[in-house]
Amino acid sequence: GDSVTQMEGPVTLSEEACLTINCTYTATGYPSLFWYVQYPGEGLQLLLKATKADDKGSNKGFEATYRKETTSFHLEKGSVQVSDSAVYFCALSGGSGAGSYQLTFGKGTKLSVIP
Amino acid sequence: DVKVTQSSRYLVKRTGEKVFLECVQDMDHENMFWYRQDPGLGLRLIYFSYDVKMKEKGDIPEGYSVSREKKERFSLILESASTNQTSMYLCASSFGDRGNYGYTFGSGTRLTVV
Repeated sequence: GDSVTQMEGPVTLSEEACLTINCTYTATGYPSLFWYVQYPGEGLQLLLKATKADDKGSNKGFEATYRKETTSFHLEKGSVQVSDSAVYFCALSGGSGAGSYQLTFGKGTKLSVIP
Repeated sequence: DVKVTQSSRYLVKRTGEKVFLECVQDMDHENMFWYRQDPGLGLRLIYFSYDVKMKEKGDIPEGYSVSREKKERFSLILESASTNQTSMYLCASSFGDRGNYGYTFGSGTRLTVV
């Protein structure tokens, strides 16, 4: 079945540091890939997505590129802010799972940014 | 702005009570989902529905049931609440049969069973 593996947290960075959160996936077919963000006490919000190989999703200074050859979708940001402190989830859909419309989530990576 | 609304942000219930968690979406989405979120375990799918009156078990359906009488509303029912059901519950909805648009989540309900 489909699966998503993302780096274990927590990750602690100083403000203005570079961020990379690794995400790799296992799926058959041509899944769509997503990054979601969850701020403290809130639900998940879609941060960015990519629907085909070599697509780059971007939003709020975050980027991720759909790499089919390495089955990866790493999240990057050049300069993090305190307000980026949150839990980040990598996810895929449209693979071979029980329902192609279902999302398969990674376990989440908690990011803390200190001033 | 499109929304998924969960009726309560915080709930405290007693062991053995019947608990209803309500979720309403205003986007005319076909698919709706209930997850629970626990530290270290990520998101776990409880039940989902791809049409009115249709429901499918997710990964952890035991102790839960659901109801979808109208397209916009998906209710999660804890028949007899237990302390191990203390958790954050997240509702989500999505459009279409390929999932390319992702999910829209509600703000979550933090349930404490005492």
